[in-house]
Order: sequence, then C-alpha cells, then structure tokens
Amino acid sequence: DTEVTQTPKHLVMGMTNKKSLKCEQHMGHRAMYWYKQKAKKPPELMFVYSYEKLSINESVPSRFSPECPNSSLLNLHLHALQPEDSALYLCASSHPGGRYNEQFFGPGTRLTVL
Amino acid sequence: AQTVTQSQPEMSVQEAETVTLSCTYDTSESDYYLFWYKQPPSRQMILVIRQEAYKQQNATENRFSVNFQKAAKSFSLKISDSQLGDAAMYFCAYRSRSIQGAQKLVFGQGTRLTINP
Repeated sequence: DTEVTQTPKHLVMGMTNKKSLKCEQHMGHRAMYWYKQKAKKPPELMFVYSYEKLSINESVPSRFSPECPNSSLLNLHLHALQPEDSALYLCASSHPGGRYNEQFFGPGTRLTVL
Repeated sequence: AQTVTQSQPEMSVQEAETVTLSCTYDTSESDYYLFWYKQPPSRQMILVIRQEAYKQQNATENRFSVNFQKAAKSFSLKISDSQLGDAAMYFCAYRSRSIQGAQKLVFGQGTRLTINP
C-alpha cells in the first residue's frame, strides 16, 4: 500500500465551527506532514511529526491544532478559522531514516471558510 | 536558508515533442537531494524524479530526465515524447541531506505545463 488518504475531500465551515481533517497511511512511515496550499502556489509546510512527536511547527496560528494519535494517523483540528485559511490542505508521509526521505502526498482536503 | 527558483511560470509543448523545465537553487550545503514533483489538475502531488547531489550521473525515469549542474546550481527537467497526461503543475524541490530525520522540502513556485494536441 503506497497511498496516503485524506478525509474529507471537501469541507465548508463557518468561522465559529470546529472541524477536523484526517490523514492516514499504512506504509510504515514514521514522519507525517501537514501543508497548506493556495491556488497556483507551492505547498507551505505547517507541521511535521516524527515518530509521533511534533518536530517542526512553522509558526502556525493556534487555531490550527495538529495531533498524531499513532504512527498511521494524523489529524488537524480546526477552530475559529478565518476566510483567508481557505486552501487545499495536503498531508504527506515519509520514512525519516530512508535514503531519500521522499514524501508521499495525499490528495488533499479542499477547505472553504465562510 | 535555501531557496529554489523556477523562472517559467507557464510552458506549453506540442504532444510528442520535448520540453525542458528550468530550476535553479541556492544553498551553501554540499550534500542534498533535489526532486521534481508533478501536481495534475486532480491535485495529488506525485514524485517524478529525484537526484542525489553527490551523484554526477543525471537521473532518468522513462521519458523524464534531469540535467543536474551542481556548480551552476541548476536542476532542469526534460520530458520527452510529451503526452496529454503530462499536463500539470511541476514543482522543483530541495531537501538537505546533512540533517537526518524528517525535514522540510523547499519548493520552487512551480511551472504550469500545458500539452497541445
């Protein structure tokens, strides 16, 4: 299984809602990533988990809260978002000790904040 | 800090022709990896090809090949016999090798490739 899955595919939420994005992989990777991607732009790294511990936080606002419950699962909890947070949210995974540490990406969740 | 520059926001090519996408990068490191990722309109980013900086031989993957010029800090992607399915946004990316473990990718701004039938 060489796939990273993300749910939901699309999400529309109001600024007062609380929602969560989910990412799952079964490749045995021990590093997982959240990226935010605006239209026609490259992905911007938000968070990195390595061996289920948060290793990189790119100064992301606290309204985004990541969680890594186990080595296969990564969540991104959303609360009190702003319209400018509307974007494609990509999850990726990699094997930290691998030769290339290449990242495998999921299809993304298209988030719209009203 | 490392930077990656893709100077061609858009490119187009006739089907079956060859196209080259440019990428330059800036780093003070001597050991690193370079990648080309493809993101079709369906959005999923997939790895096209990778290159280790200490290898002089250019990487190839079927119709995809790179021209890696380490001294010039250039890493271009050549797509031969272009197919309609090659239409996508292409991102060049850099990753340090000197730091172990999970590390961030530094992406270029991307080049949107259109294939004309």
